[in-house]
Amino acid sequence: NAGVTQTPKFQVLKTGQSMTLQCAQDMNHNSMYWYRQDPGMGLRLIYYSASEGTTDKGEVPNGYNVSRLNKREFSLRLESAAPSQTSVYFCASRGWDSNQPQHFGDGTRLSIL
Amino acid sequence: AQSVTQLDSQVPVFEEAPVELRCNYSSSVSVYLFWYVQYPNQGLQLLLKYLSGSTLVKGINGFEAEFNKSQTSFHLRKPSVHISDTAEYFCAVSAILGYSTLTFGKGTMLLVSP
Repeated sequence: NAGVTQTPKFQVLKTGQSMTLQCAQDMNHNSMYWYRQDPGMGLRLIYYSASEGTTDKGEVPNGYNVSRLNKREFSLRLESAAPSQTSVYFCASRGWDSNQPQHFGDGTRLSIL
Repeated sequence: AQSVTQLDSQVPVFEEAPVELRCNYSSSVSVYLFWYVQYPNQGLQLLLKYLSGSTLVKGINGFEAEFNKSQTSFHLRKPSVHISDTAEYFCAVSAILGYSTLTFGKGTMLLVSP
């Protein structure tokens, strides 16, 4: 039972470098989400994909792009990393209905120097 | 739009003491309510959820929460905490109607000491 798998677990980048964070789920969920977690800020939604073939902006989308590659996979790309994007990134998935809980990966810890 | 306020950023307690973590929400529509727990260096796990019916909801690890519609609150309680309950706790809401994402509070760090 893998659930939600995120890769890599840790990454250090230099300002201006690009990177793609990968996420895959094996629960046949329709919806997938990318969050960032910063101290004292809780989780803030970056982008989400309600179903395969759709993506929408969340609360803090600037500086990020996403791709819903298929039903299982949802990637997050930083085109030109900035120090303000140093954070812990979480991917989550859920069934279609809002009464269903989200299932989270273990996170990617990203530092940008 | 919804918003969630967790009134305490940290709650220190001694082992075997009771604890209450407070959560208030604001929404113009009816909502589902969730509590999640995050242990160090891990993702979030669902503790419990309120969808409808009885306002007292029981979750995992001996936690429970009570939904109070008039006070728009969903406080989390445990009668006797353990060291292993040390973690960050997040309250979250999602609108009932239509497709809705989760809105999280900023979290409460529960620190249990011997």
